[in-house]
Amino acid sequence: ETGVTQSPTHLIKTRGQQVTLRCSSQSGHNTVSWYQQALGQGPQFIFQYYREEENGRGNFPPRFSGLQFPNYSSELNVNALELDDSALYLCASSLVGAPTDTQYFGPGTRLTVL
Amino acid sequence: AQSVAQPEDQVNVAEGNPLTVKCTYSVSGNPYLFWYVQYPNRGLQFLLKYITGDNLVKGSYGFEAEFNKSQTSFHLKKPSALVSDSALYFCAVRVNNNNDMRFGAGTRLTVKP
Repeated sequence: ETGVTQSPTHLIKTRGQQVTLRCSSQSGHNTVSWYQQALGQGPQFIFQYYREEENGRGNFPPRFSGLQFPNYSSELNVNALELDDSALYLCASSLVGAPTDTQYFGPGTRLTVL
Repeated sequence: AQSVAQPEDQVNVAEGNPLTVKCTYSVSGNPYLFWYVQYPNRGLQFLLKYITGDNLVKGSYGFEAEFNKSQTSFHLKKPSALVSDSALYFCAVRVNNNNDMRFGAGTRLTVKP
């Protein structure tokens, strides 16, 4: 196991609601990245946080937002949920966020939007 | 923009035979290439990466991958497959000054006894 934890494991929401997903990074890592993995697809990069600042963002709308806390844990918030937001949400921690760093993934949160 | 392609959705091999999972990439600049494996209902597990140097990279669980710049490929290989290697494999690429890691669509490897 990587030491990266995510909560909750599963979540069911209805369209229009808001959701918060949580991630605790591996000890010693100060960078967290979030990914969305739709069924049958590879993960897609949402954004990265390094030392509490957003440090890169993929092609996701502003209703996807995040936070990183002083202990380097992180939250992903999604507002105005849509059916297409149903996916496995993965967080990954890395040492300093450099492109050469290995990212270590958590087990994911399965979000279902009805 | 960088991208990777995994041309095979599915690879089937017999236990004990060598396996290859293919990956090609497209980037501007030098690529940093990664292989991850995903078991059912689990997150991604890191196998190996190529940053620079020796084109043959050795990783976890007996896997290795060869970086081929002229063919823009980074195929994953293992000399002797195990049934327990059956899983979903993802290739990914990053480039300098960009924190966006791009993943392929994945290849499902099935190793039959």
